[in-house]
Amino acid sequence: TQLLEQSPQFLSIQEGENLTVYCNSSSVFSSLQWYRQEPGEGPVLLVTVVTGGEVKKLKRLTFQFGDARKDSSLHITAAQPGDTGLYLCAGSGGSNYKLTFGKGTLLTVNP
Amino acid sequence: EAGVAQSPRYKIIEKRQSVAFWCNPISGHATLYWYQQILGQGPKLLIQFQNNGVVDDSQLPKDRFSAERLKGVDSTLKIQPAKLEDSAVYLCASSLFQGTGDTQYFGPGTRLTVL
Repeated sequence: TQLLEQSPQFLSIQEGENLTVYCNSSSVFSSLQWYRQEPGEGPVLLVTVVTGGEVKKLKRLTFQFGDARKDSSLHITAAQPGDTGLYLCAGSGGSNYKLTFGKGTLLTVNP
Repeated sequence: EAGVAQSPRYKIIEKRQSVAFWCNPISGHATLYWYQQILGQGPKLLIQFQNNGVVDDSQLPKDRFSAERLKGVDSTLKIQPAKLEDSAVYLCASSLFQGTGDTQYFGPGTRLTVL
C-alpha cells in the first residue's frame, strides 16, 4: 500500500508570511498532484508534477517534485487570507493511475 | 461547462438504514470515481469506473457498499446497512480519460451522518 505523509497537519499564520508544506512517501509515483479543498466543496486541482526535480510556479505558489519522485513540497510566498484551505497531495501510480491522497495540511491565514 | 453534480448534499440516517447517493459527471468524461473522505483525512478511493465497467473496487466494502454506472454516464453509490463508521463525505469525481496527469474534477460531495 502506498502511503503519503503530509506535514504539518495544521498551520496558522499571519497574512504576508511565507510557508512550506511537505508530502513524503517511501514509494515512487508516476506523478504527484496538489489540491486545495475549501469547506463544503470538493478538492480542486492546483498542479500536476511528473518529472523528478520538476519545479512549477502558480503565482505565489511554488511546487517541487523530488528527484526520486517520492516527495514533494508546496511553498507559498506572502500568504493571503484567500489561501486558507485544506491542501492535499495525491500520488498517481499503478495500471489504473489510482490516486492515493495524504491526510492534508489545514492552512489558516489570518488577516 | 457544468461541473460534477451530486445529490443529496446532506443526509442523516440511523445505523442499519440504507442510503443512496447520485452523481452526474462532466459530459463526455469516461472515467468516474467515488471517494470516501472521513473527517481529518484525505479522500480514499472506493471505486473507479471506465465507461460502465469497474476498473478498481479493491477498497469498496462489498458486504455493504454497492455502486453502478448504467449507460456509462450517471452513477449511484448505495450503503446497506449503514454503520456509524460510514459517517463521512462521499465525493464523486470524473476525468476525461485514465492516465498520468489527467485531471480529476470533483463534485461538492454528500455529507453523510449515521446516528
